[in-house]
Amino acid sequence: DAKTTQPNSMESNEEEPVHLPCNHSTISGTDYIHWYRQLPSQGPEYVIHGLTSNVNNRMASLAIAEDRKSSTLILHRATLRDAAVYYCILRGNYGGATNKLIFGTGTLLAVQP
Amino acid sequence: DTGVSQNPRHKITKRGQNVTFRCDPISEHNRLYWYRQTLGQGPEFLTYFQNEAQLEKSRLLSDRFSAERPKGSFSTLEIQRTEQGDSAMYLCASSTPGPNTEAFFGQGTRLTVV
Repeated sequence: DAKTTQPNSMESNEEEPVHLPCNHSTISGTDYIHWYRQLPSQGPEYVIHGLTSNVNNRMASLAIAEDRKSSTLILHRATLRDAAVYYCILRGNYGGATNKLIFGTGTLLAVQP
Repeated sequence: DTGVSQNPRHKITKRGQNVTFRCDPISEHNRLYWYRQTLGQGPEFLTYFQNEAQLEKSRLLSDRFSAERPKGSFSTLEIQRTEQGDSAMYLCASSTPGPNTEAFFGQGTRLTVV
């Protein structure tokens, strides 16, 4: 299974942008880059995903490097509610096309008021 | 549709007892996944269903664990003869096919074995 590398933790100030990096040097051509986040005592929540082009939605933006070996999740204005563990995951066709999500330990984002 | 629903939210059981958890996925999702999460770790994949067929099981799923998805709707995860090491959050997720789709997770069932 393709692996991702993320910093263990990051800090941000409220209302400032946050850039969460992810390295995935072994990504294959058919892997989608997914981001999920998990607030305390809750299940993971989908944030955004992409294949090659940068993506925007109401929650965040995803910037994907040209060689696809890294990506950055961008929260444009962090709020206290964005404090969570953020997981960068490659979702592809593994082992019979289960498309399962393989989680690492993610990045714990702390947001200071 | 209110999303993926898991019951119960919390379960405390004595070591050696059997427990069963239920997951109700989003109705049009034919894919269902079970995960286990311990403190400080990301969720670990346990098993996967496509409709009613269980197509993949992790090595983490010992023979004390069994999962079913009759009629391809809700799913149950049973743990027999629980051990303290089974204490964890058990998460269920559902999605439509393909890597270009999002998975929806339930709130999880927190199991404590005493």
